Amino acid sequence: QKEVEQDPGPLSVPEGAIVSLNCTYSNSAFQYFMWYRQYSRKGPELLMYTYSSGNKEDGRFTAQVDKSSKYISLFIRDSQPSDSATYLCAMSVTGNQFYFGTGTSLTVIP
Amino acid sequence: ETGVTQTPRHLVMGMTNKKSLKCEQHLGHNAMYWYKQSAKKPLELMFVYSLEERVENNSVPSRFSPECPNSSHLFLHLHTLQPEDSALYLCASSPHTSGGGQETQYFGPGTRLLVL
Repeated sequence: QKEVEQDPGPLSVPEGAIVSLNCTYSNSAFQYFMWYRQYSRKGPELLMYTYSSGNKEDGRFTAQVDKSSKYISLFIRDSQPSDSATYLCAMSVTGNQFYFGTGTSLTVIP
Repeated sequence: ETGVTQTPRHLVMGMTNKKSLKCEQHLGHNAMYWYKQSAKKPLELMFVYSLEERVENNSVPSRFSPECPNSSHLFLHLHTLQPEDSALYLCASSPHTSGGGQETQYFGPGTRLLVL
């Protein structure tokens, strides 16, 4: 069983839609959770970082962690064409080694 | 990109060639990483350096040889690679490796490697 499972998509939505991206994991010891955005031909850039459970909001982005279900989500409100990218989840037990999902490819259609 | 730079951006090499990938970080970080990113696979951590000392090697084949001469530079020396080594090689840096979760990693743009 993989440490982190993420649906690769592709996911295609109209501009303005609410996007929900998800990852599940098997290791209940994970306590650091991150979402990265990766544009084509670029390296991943950190979008959101969450410690333990709960929600975190930053502008149009909201990250949720449900440790009881081993499930994390990233919501994008009022999606824009510039949000078109691959979104990677990552998680860690100690903050040292991170385990990444395969990434979900998102296209926002104008 | 000004934080973490990588050269070359693209590389095509034969299986008998020897080449090196270079990474430089301008963030004053103490830890640097090499990752391999293949299509439809998670990022694979290859090497971790902290203060120029290797602290982790995730059982990477010996045809990949890292070098960290100082905290700002990281190299990945390649020799006798296989076609399945074709991938995007990403360098990252972070302030430290010692946990806390705040040690978010900043990635370079990657080197797209094709082994023929």
